[in-house]
Amino acid sequence: GEEVAQTPKHLVRGEGQKAKLYCAPIKGHSYVFWYQQVLKNEFKFLISFQNENVFDETGMPKERFSAKCLPNSPCSLEIQATKLEDSAVYFCASSQGAGSSYNEQFFGPGTRLTVL
Amino acid sequence: RKEVEQDPGPFNVPEGATVAFNCTYSNSASQSFFWYRQDCRKEPKLLMSVYSSGNEDGRFTAQLNRASQYISLLIRDSKLSDSATYLCVVGTGTASKLTFGTGTRLQVTL
Repeated sequence: GEEVAQTPKHLVRGEGQKAKLYCAPIKGHSYVFWYQQVLKNEFKFLISFQNENVFDETGMPKERFSAKCLPNSPCSLEIQATKLEDSAVYFCASSQGAGSSYNEQFFGPGTRLTVL
Repeated sequence: RKEVEQDPGPFNVPEGATVAFNCTYSNSASQSFFWYRQDCRKEPKLLMSVYSSGNEDGRFTAQLNRASQYISLLIRDSKLSDSATYLCVVGTGTASKLTFGTGTRLQVTL
């Protein structure tokens, strides 16, 4: 598609439950990024993919968080055993990457995760 | 110290005013620079990329000073629809993660 698509829009989970978020990048974009936005506009980078390969996972919490980008499927971000502090808006972004002169990233509408 | 620093505002300006936002970044390896706008916790939307030579898009002008590690955004003839949070964003190279400032809130009033 011509826009980054994210589902669901909203997700409510009880503490300890699993949460799974999905992202379809813009068609033709090779790179996918996940960011977490908590209060006060703080954006935190989580992980990025080049096609189905992990490109940079330096922001990914070692426990409970995992992500995948498989061929012919939306990318996913999964949080096992959610905690209250996981409540945030999770944005996915995509970029063309190689061949693009400037690495512009385009964002999806986000998934608002609320952990109760 | 944050990697990307912005004045949080809010900037309250009347319609038609000119307003300037500033941003500094600490990572000298930064290679790509952007201004995004974000409305009411919606997704950040790319406003403009910022080039070393400076660039202009309609009422918006962006400047980059690599020596001072400083980026600016000038909005001329402000419209009500310009009310939003403006995010200064920096990357270190092709396909690198982006580092965001905390944003500057602009409110344009009648």
